[in-house]
Amino acid sequence: DTAVSQTPKYLVTQMGNDKSIKCEQNLGHDTMYWYKQDSKKFLKIMFSYNNKELIINETVPNRFSPKSPDKAHLNLHINSLELGDSAVYFCASSQMSGYGYTFGSGTRLTVV
Amino acid sequence: SQQGEEDPQALSIQEGENATMNCSYKTSINNLQWYRQNSGRGLVHLILIRSNEREKHSGRLRVTLDTSKKSSSLLITASRAADTASYFCATLGGGADGLTFGKGTHLIIQP
Repeated sequence: DTAVSQTPKYLVTQMGNDKSIKCEQNLGHDTMYWYKQDSKKFLKIMFSYNNKELIINETVPNRFSPKSPDKAHLNLHINSLELGDSAVYFCASSQMSGYGYTFGSGTRLTVV
Repeated sequence: SQQGEEDPQALSIQEGENATMNCSYKTSINNLQWYRQNSGRGLVHLILIRSNEREKHSGRLRVTLDTSKKSSSLLITASRAADTASYFCATLGGGADGLTFGKGTHLIIQP
């Protein structure tokens, strides 16, 4: 069973479109995260979320919004996509703060 | 802002040799973690060391932590071709803002 699954694996879209990336974890973890990995492999946290608190990295444009229908899901919605949004987006989860993270396999987003 | 800085950025060694990667960070931490990322894949958690620990082992991995120098090292002994990957250190501070990753070390094991 895949612990943290993301869909789609690849996403190619035009500038200005709105898209969503889905993430589901079956580990029963309390906290989920979204990370962005750029072309130089630098990983930057975008959001962390549990059922009580959403932490937003202040550098993330408000075109990005996380939505969590339940504890096992944290989807990422992106409005008005820009060329600079092209990257690999990783979802992750952890049991609680202070434990290791389990990452999904990533979604490669290409904006053309 | 970025917390961890790995050194070296790239490392190429022969199979069977030991590989050592270093990580430095800037602020106080709760714990430090090391992850591996194979090309085109997600990150895999390798080992976690807490701020009150100085050394930890897991199989062929050995991690040290020196909080006075704000640095950590990852040693992979008896390297194998399958160890070829990028290795990242990540720090967790006292807040709820998640892991902060370094830039990574790209390790290549020559057969």
